[in-house]
Amino acid sequence: GDSVTQMEGPVTLSEEAFLTINCTYTATGYPSLFWYVQYPGEGLQLLLKATKADDKGSNKGFEATYRKETTSFHLEKGSVQVSDSAVYFCALSGRYGGATNKLIFGTGTLLAVQP
Amino acid sequence: NAGVTQTPKFQVLKTGQSMTLQCAQDMNHEYMSWYRQDPGMGLRLIHYSVGAGITDQGEVPNGYNVSRSTTEDFPLRLLSAAPSQTSVYFCASSYGEGRSSGNTIYFGEGSWLTVV
Repeated sequence: GDSVTQMEGPVTLSEEAFLTINCTYTATGYPSLFWYVQYPGEGLQLLLKATKADDKGSNKGFEATYRKETTSFHLEKGSVQVSDSAVYFCALSGRYGGATNKLIFGTGTLLAVQP
Repeated sequence: NAGVTQTPKFQVLKTGQSMTLQCAQDMNHEYMSWYRQDPGMGLRLIHYSVGAGITDQGEVPNGYNVSRSTTEDFPLRLLSAAPSQTSVYFCASSYGEGRSSGNTIYFGEGSWLTVV
């Protein structure tokens, strides 16, 4: 079945460092891909999404490109801030029980940014 | 904008007790679902609904019941709480298929449940 694999954390970076969090997927058809962020003690917020191959999602300085040839959707940011410290989840919208619009999540990657 | 509202935010239950986690959305979304979040496992789908009166099981449905009597509400019932149900629960909603924004899923803030 459909699945998402993302790099294990925690990822610890200094402020202003470059961030990459790897995400690869296995899916039938053409799923949409998402990155969600969860700040400490809060729920999930949609960070960015891409709905078809070669689309680039971007938000708050984060970017991810839907690469069908490598089945990847890596999250990048050029210069992280302490306020980016959170858990990041890669997800795809897969089919379940014949219906779409169900999210399949990776296990999450904890990012800790030090001043 | 209320979005997706979950209550309670925190709850401690004794083994064997029952309770209901409430979820309401004000965006007229057809799809609603419940996930649980456990360390190292990401989020897993418990139950979902594609519209009022229609529900179905997700990946980990055992020990949980749902109903969808209105478009707005999708409560999750724990029938007889067990320590294995200690988790963070998230309700989510979205438009159905065919909408231009159909793939954007909105989450509530989560309900932290501890079963002792």
